[in-house]
Amino acid sequence: DTGVSQDPRHKITKRGQNVTFRCDPISEHNRLYWYRQTLGQGPEFLTYFQNEAQLEKSRLLSDRFSAERPKGSFSTLEIQRTEQGDSAMYLCASTGWGSGNTGELFFGEGSRLTVL
Amino acid sequence: AQRVTQPEKLLSVFKGAPVELKCNYSYSGSPELFWYVQYSRQRLQLLLRHISRESIKGFTADLNKGETSFHLKKPFAQEEDSAMYYCALSRANDYKLSFGAGTTVTVRA
Repeated sequence: DTGVSQDPRHKITKRGQNVTFRCDPISEHNRLYWYRQTLGQGPEFLTYFQNEAQLEKSRLLSDRFSAERPKGSFSTLEIQRTEQGDSAMYLCASTGWGSGNTGELFFGEGSRLTVL
Repeated sequence: AQRVTQPEKLLSVFKGAPVELKCNYSYSGSPELFWYVQYSRQRLQLLLRHISRESIKGFTADLNKGETSFHLKKPFAQEEDSAMYYCALSRANDYKLSFGAGTTVTVRA
């Protein structure tokens, strides 16, 4: 297991196009988180899943953003009708939930989005 | 609402000097506090959490509930400590982290 993996690592798109990012968490982890990070800022929470259930979505998240985790394994984050303000690094993290877990989040390397 | 403040964007110290990264938080409940670190060209990773009360790579952090602070300290900085450091807070047993803006630490020889 190589840890959390994200694909693609870089995406350049034109304003108005749709983009989708994929995250494969560590296999035994049942919680999966999406964060967004812009230059000079810390990661900002977007949404998270426990297994296939989406438990929370940030109020800051536009309805152009949607995330899924259909089988409780990998997750996708889709942005529709991209805007230049969507340009950011999109980070995925996973952790185990339950007794004995430390709460440590394991992060992927991120998917960098540039909207022209 | 949860909020984490890291007042220093940049911190530069000489090798062997002490380093302290400040972190203040606001949260009405009982939080869990963490420090995450990102080394150059590596992914974000956990450095330490307040519940563990451990020293990791020579770093320690004490949770001060009276001052709502969780400052990170190391008595003798090393060049390999150069990195971006993020303070983060989660609700107890939630693990949904709120991050500060981060502090870039540069340790000079």
